[in-house]
Amino acid sequence: QVQLQESGPGLVKPSETLSLTCAVSGYSISSGNFWGWIRQPPGKGLEWIGSIYHSGITYYNASLKSRVTISVDTSKNQFSLRLSSVTAADTAVYYCARHGFSSGLYQFDYWGQGTLVTVSS
Amino acid sequence: QSALTQPASVSGSPGQSITISCTGTSSDVGSYNLVSWYQQHPGKAPKLMIYEGSKRPSGVSYRFSGSKSGNTASLTISGLQAEDEADYYCCSYAGSSTYVFGTGTKVTVL
Repeated sequence: QVQLQESGPGLVKPSETLSLTCAVSGYSISSGNFWGWIRQPPGKGLEWIGSIYHSGITYYNASLKSRVTISVDTSKNQFSLRLSSVTAADTAVYYCARHGFSSGLYQFDYWGQGTLVTVSS
Repeated sequence: QSALTQPASVSGSPGQSITISCTGTSSDVGSYNLVSWYQQHPGKAPKLMIYEGSKRPSGVSYRFSGSKSGNTASLTISGLQAEDEADYYCCSYAGSSTYVFGTGTKVTVL
């Protein structure tokens, strides 16, 4: 069974960098899927942040691209998110999820439980 | 990319059918048959209910069905049950390896 688990600080100061890691178990991150980050501000909708392939290929939401870096560590079967220069608007539950960019794989089929990150001084 | 437009809320009585719309543009919903739908209960992660517009993952009830016409995708829940009360989000592939989610719809079972 594929399982994803987010981890990282729950509180980040304004202007600093948010860093989260998603550990994948029950499935090799190198098996051919993409791995994405999605966030949800409190009481609001979902927003795709970006995705990465095991080779390091990345795709980002244009609205966040200048501040986002997603990386992968295949030896640890995990991938990470860094979001710089955060403001209160970046306060959200951050999810990691599996998907693909080929036939039959475009949907987000496995999700982590999510982790709340609050931006506050 | 702007979020796909969904009604803020939809309600129905047990046993009834409801339909949630998801309106995008010719650059996302209209260009690809790659809309997925997610159910989210309070405090929980989203759960995949429909993919590629109308396909159900293993384990998802047959009461959930999806369709698309032009720039609008739809999710229909038939035989509404109390457990269906949740938030629902559509998501479309938007080209150039990007995605856009819908604004979300709160389903209330009366």
